[in-house]
Amino acid sequence: AQSVTQLGSHVSVSEGALVLLRCNYSSSVPPYLFWYVQYPNQGLQLLLKYTSAATLVKGINGFEAEFKKSETSFHLTKPSAHMSDAAEYFCAVSDEWTGANNLFFGTGTRLTVIP
Amino acid sequence: EAQVTQNPRYLITVTGKKLTVTCSQNMNHEYMSWYRQDPGLGLRQIYYSMNVEVTDKGDVPEGYKVSRKEKRNFPLILESPSPNQTSLYFCASSLSQGVNEQYFGPGTRLTVT
Repeated sequence: AQSVTQLGSHVSVSEGALVLLRCNYSSSVPPYLFWYVQYPNQGLQLLLKYTSAATLVKGINGFEAEFKKSETSFHLTKPSAHMSDAAEYFCAVSDEWTGANNLFFGTGTRLTVIP
Repeated sequence: EAQVTQNPRYLITVTGKKLTVTCSQNMNHEYMSWYRQDPGLGLRQIYYSMNVEVTDKGDVPEGYKVSRKEKRNFPLILESPSPNQTSLYFCASSLSQGVNEQYFGPGTRLTVT
């Protein structure tokens, strides 16, 4: 069975600083991995996804994530944080055996950006 | 505009009073799903549907029912709500073939007293 662990339920960074949100996955088969963002009082929006093509995935709003099989990780990064990045971020995993659309979410990381 | 809509957005009810939360998508998606979001637990899948008349349980189906009579609609039914079903609920949809983005509705905040 798949699962996702997000280290750090809250992360604070200064505006302009590097953003690093950690995600480790567990899957017995090649996974599909996703990062979603949730702004206050809104639904989730896809940031980026990994589907076994390039290991470095670029998403919207300047975010990117690197799939590292040896570390079972899919950390989300952004070189320079912006105030508008303040939100909750969810990592999710699925695979073609259980159904590519059936997502298993992590518990989320709330990002605060300090002016 | 492509979107997933949910109604109502906010609902306060009492234990045992049947309720339905509607979900509708205008993207002709085959796949639809319901999640609940609770603090510290992330999103957990309740039910999903691969197409019309095809539904299956997710991780936390107890106390919920769904139906998929039309492609665009996927209502969530709580026959006898209990306080432990107080949560934020999201409906989502996507194309069923391949690995596709799920589009989420704005959420329904349910309080059961």
